[in-house]
Amino acid sequence: QKEVEQNSGPLSVPEGAIASLNCTYSDRGSQSFFWYRQYSGKSPELIMSIYSNGDKEDGRFTAQLNKASQYVSLLIRDSQPSDSATYLCAVTNLKAAGNKLTFGGGTRVLVKP
Amino acid sequence: DAGVTQSPTHLIKTRGQQVTLRCSPKSGHDTVSWYQQALGQGPQFIFQYYEEEERQRGNFPDRFSGHQFPNYSSELNVNALLLGDSALYLCASSRIQGSGEKLFFGSGTQLSVL
Repeated sequence: QKEVEQNSGPLSVPEGAIASLNCTYSDRGSQSFFWYRQYSGKSPELIMSIYSNGDKEDGRFTAQLNKASQYVSLLIRDSQPSDSATYLCAVTNLKAAGNKLTFGGGTRVLVKP
Repeated sequence: DAGVTQSPTHLIKTRGQQVTLRCSPKSGHDTVSWYQQALGQGPQFIFQYYEEEERQRGNFPDRFSGHQFPNYSSELNVNALLLGDSALYLCASSRIQGSGEKLFFGSGTQLSVL
């Protein structure tokens, strides 16, 4: 079992629709959760961080965390063609491993005009 | 305020050669981590340096080594290159204290081993 799992996609969504991305993790001690966006050939860019159960909204992005079920999700509202990228879920267990990030394999999102 | 800078941006080597990649952390950051990202995969943690010492190491062979200098910059060295070492190498910096859990990535070094 991988430590952090994501559907590789591609997730194809029409422009203006909501893109929903999911991520599950195996380490119950994980405390910090991140979503990174990565354009092809570029480095990951942090777009959301979440540390407690519930929802966190930032502009068109909403991160949702459920520690009991060990999943974290990302919603992208009003998807734009510029949102086409790979989205990486990452988790840390500060007590066990400091701020070492464990990444999932990423979900490729394609937003079609 | 300069972010995380890496050099070179691209590198082509042949099997068996050795390579050195360099990283300067974001201003105010004292911790440097290195990640390897193979094509189509998520980044994999190689190791982390703080106070000029390797603090954590991922599941990478001893061919991968590093160094951190007093100015917090860092180097990643890979010996006896294999074809499978072809990847994007990412450097990330953070502060070990406070918001240290937020990592900022450099633009990466694309290494091709022929």
